[in-house]
Amino acid sequence: EDKVVQSPLSLVVHEGDTVTLNCSYEVTNFRSLLWYKQEKKAPTFLFMLTSSGIEKKSGRLSSILDKKELSSILNITATQTGDSAIYLCAVFSGTYKYIFGTGTRLKVLA
Amino acid sequence: NAGVTQTPKFRVLKTGQSMTLLCAQDMNHEYMYWYRQDPGMGLRLIHYSVGEGTTAKGEVPDGYNVSRLKKQNFLLGLESAAPSQTSVYFCASSYDDRSSYEQYFGPGTRLTVT
Repeated sequence: EDKVVQSPLSLVVHEGDTVTLNCSYEVTNFRSLLWYKQEKKAPTFLFMLTSSGIEKKSGRLSSILDKKELSSILNITATQTGDSAIYLCAVFSGTYKYIFGTGTRLKVLA
Repeated sequence: NAGVTQTPKFRVLKTGQSMTLLCAQDMNHEYMYWYRQDPGMGLRLIHYSVGEGTTAKGEVPDGYNVSRLKKQNFLLGLESAAPSQTSVYFCASSYDDRSSYEQYFGPGTRLTVT
């Protein structure tokens, strides 16, 4: 059975800290791995990683895909209170199939 | 562009009542999806559509029906609501799976069945 596991389940840090969120997967047909940020409403897209694009960076956020270890990390440096959210990892395995993890809930304290 | 919109935002139903959730997208996306999100469960696919007039079952389709009569709209129906259907429902859309894998999500509908 395909699955995506995220860790930790939740995390509390102080502003300015650096955090690393983990996503591991077991899927039969890997096409890409996506990271989303979910605040109060809809998940919003952060990054997509594929075999041809294993590292992405945007401002203080960066993500790496390790195809050998079947995992990905999302790094957030110099965290701010606005980074507080649930971070979702999903693996796309073709056509309609996106397998989502349960998310990591990040809380950044001022 | 409004992106993906959902109506209603909130709804409370009694057991046995029916309702329809509406999803609309203005990005000319071929693929549309309905998910439910429950605590500790992640997003689970209910039904999806690969184009106008086509629908298919996802991971948890029981108790739900869908229709995609127009490309921009995807409706989710609950014929006889049950308390187990209390959840947050998200609609999403994407281009076809050959060009882009990113999904765009609507703001969600919080449904409570009492």
